[in-house]
Amino acid sequence: EPEVTQTPSHQVTQMGQEVILRCVPISNHLYFYWYRQILGQKVEFLVSFYNNEISEKSEIFDDQFSVERPDGSNFTLKIRSTKLEDSAMYFCASRQDRGFTEAFFGQGTRLTVV
Amino acid sequence: ELKVEQNPLFLSMQEGKNYTIYCNYSTTSDRLYWYRQDPGKSLESLFVLLSNGAVKQEGRLMASLDTKARLSTLHITAAVHDLSATYFCAVDSPYSGGGADGLTFGKGTHLIIQP
Repeated sequence: EPEVTQTPSHQVTQMGQEVILRCVPISNHLYFYWYRQILGQKVEFLVSFYNNEISEKSEIFDDQFSVERPDGSNFTLKIRSTKLEDSAMYFCASRQDRGFTEAFFGQGTRLTVV
Repeated sequence: ELKVEQNPLFLSMQEGKNYTIYCNYSTTSDRLYWYRQDPGKSLESLFVLLSNGAVKQEGRLMASLDTKARLSTLHITAAVHDLSATYFCAVDSPYSGGGADGLTFGKGTHLIIQP
């Protein structure tokens, strides 16, 4: 069964460092997303991406964040200068079409900023 | 701002009992999703509800949607221990419409089913 894959599963980084989280969405999906979940809290939308550009972004997705689809398969989230409060589980998701199917989530990357 | 509220947030129940989780949302939407999350794991899609009056069932779980009341329910019948997990409802956010919208999640219902 097709699935969304994320790497790494766990990343530890020092405050102020840049990190790149990687995702391979399901191959025939057109819409891609990043969400985050701070430990024990709800899942929060960060950004959506369609047709090689950002479609929507939340207030959380400030100038420290960027997304890219560098080739036909990968979808990346970059955090330019990490802060302690960026520590969270980051989920990538993809979706096939416009609002009539569910989003499929990857296993997540646990980011720990020390 | 779209708000999605679930209740209860925590539920401990015994095997064999029935219970309902409620999900209210604050804006017009006819697309609602239920997800399950096991500890430390990803989100697994359970149900996609796409219209008023939609009802979906899978095993001991049944979900329904009332768009006029802006309410969805997830009903658990004769609970078993394997259903212990956190259950989230989510609504398509009203940014631009269509599939590129992000989902707004409720806080989740942490369900523990005691043997």
